[in-house]
Amino acid sequence: QQQVKQSPQSLIVQKGGISIINCAYENTAFDYFPWYQQFPGKGPALLIAIRPDVSEKKEGRFTISFNKSAKQFSLHIMDSQPGDSATYFCAASIRVNNDMRFGAGTRLTVKP
Amino acid sequence: DAGITQSPRHKVTETGTPVTLRCHQTENHRYMYWYRQDPGHGLRLIHYSYGVKDTDKGEVSDGYSVSRSKTEDFLLTLESATSSQTSVYFCAIRTHRGGENEQFFGPGTRLTVL
Repeated sequence: QQQVKQSPQSLIVQKGGISIINCAYENTAFDYFPWYQQFPGKGPALLIAIRPDVSEKKEGRFTISFNKSAKQFSLHIMDSQPGDSATYFCAASIRVNNDMRFGAGTRLTVKP
Repeated sequence: DAGITQSPRHKVTETGTPVTLRCHQTENHRYMYWYRQDPGHGLRLIHYSYGVKDTDKGEVSDGYSVSRSKTEDFLLTLESATSSQTSVYFCAIRTHRGGENEQFFGPGTRLTVL
């Protein structure tokens, strides 16, 4: 049973548009929520992360929005570029232990 | 890539054979992890290590064993490979940066069990 549910499975966006990927979790003990970006043939790379005591975190064109009461968080990619085409994974963990749970992934395609 | 290498990068083996995958790191990180990645499941933790000879099970540990005799090397062994273990295997290390424990992944090993 997946503890972190991610949607959509795939997403196609035009260049310059906004890409939005959503995740939901059940375990209220989770207190660290990273997003990873993965290109074909490569390992996942940490993109941005948030703690539940803030509602939003922005790094460049990437923003995480966090809704603690709804147990949901999302990744927004502003001004999406073809180079952003990759698979994105959300994750959740309890910082004091080592059990990080991942969503199933979203394959993003940004069309020129 | 946080100084992580994995070997081999690709392997094809037959059901019932033993297989060992190696993860090597150059930055003396204490924590190391093995994950498998399968379509529709994201990444799932197999085993992890918190020091030399100190290991523990993850979410999907059945059929796998690990060993860590040196800080820099973390080995994953499939004692008798099965087709259900066909997957891409990623090693990761944990760093402490900006008050957070962050995991960084190696390039992966694609394993096919026929």
